[in-house]
Amino acid sequence: GENVEQHPSTLSVQEGDSAVIKCTYSDSASNYFPWYKQELGKGPQLIIDIRSNVGEKKDQRIAVTLNKTAKHFSLHITETQPEDSAVYFCAASTGTASKLTFGTGTRLQVTL
Amino acid sequence: EPEVTQTPSHQVTQMGQEVILRCVPISNHLYFYWYRQILGQKVEFLVSFYNNEISEKSEIFDDQFSVERPDGSNFTLKIRSTKLEDSAMYFCASSSTRGREADTQYFGPGTRLTVL
Repeated sequence: GENVEQHPSTLSVQEGDSAVIKCTYSDSASNYFPWYKQELGKGPQLIIDIRSNVGEKKDQRIAVTLNKTAKHFSLHITETQPEDSAVYFCAASTGTASKLTFGTGTRLQVTL
Repeated sequence: EPEVTQTPSHQVTQMGQEVILRCVPISNHLYFYWYRQILGQKVEFLVSFYNNEISEKSEIFDDQFSVERPDGSNFTLKIRSTKLEDSAMYFCASSSTRGREADTQYFGPGTRLTVL
């Protein structure tokens, strides 16, 4: 089955700096890669996603890149703000309405 | 904006008791899922459900677990005889059936289950 690895497990950046979180996946059939933000005591909230026919996608301060050959994808957050502090999860799935396999999460701390 | 809702937010039960966790998916969604997250760990898939039957289930989803869509709006997860290791946060999710939108799963706020 699919295995998703995520690094780093914790990341501390100063406000205004960029943050990068990386994930690798094992199943070449995976074609959908969402990123979720989870705040304390809440459910995962989708922040951006990318499909395998696209190499990069951007939404304001957030971007995701995908390298299908290397089987890795990354989340980039620019101009970080304190409200970006949360746990971020990457995930992968193999098709429509298929299960999501999650990474182990990255705790991002944005300090003033 | 439509959202997935879950009740209760926190459920405390004794080992061996049955619990039912409830979810109201987004109204026009027809794919439903349950995931769980043990404290401090990653989110794990339990089961997916479509057209009144299970589409896929994980090894975690054994005979002690069942799911049901009892009416047009609710989706439930039942654990027949809870164990200490069932203590976790349980998340319900739903997705649309419209083409690629079915890829996107929207999560509820979760039910924290504590088994004593």
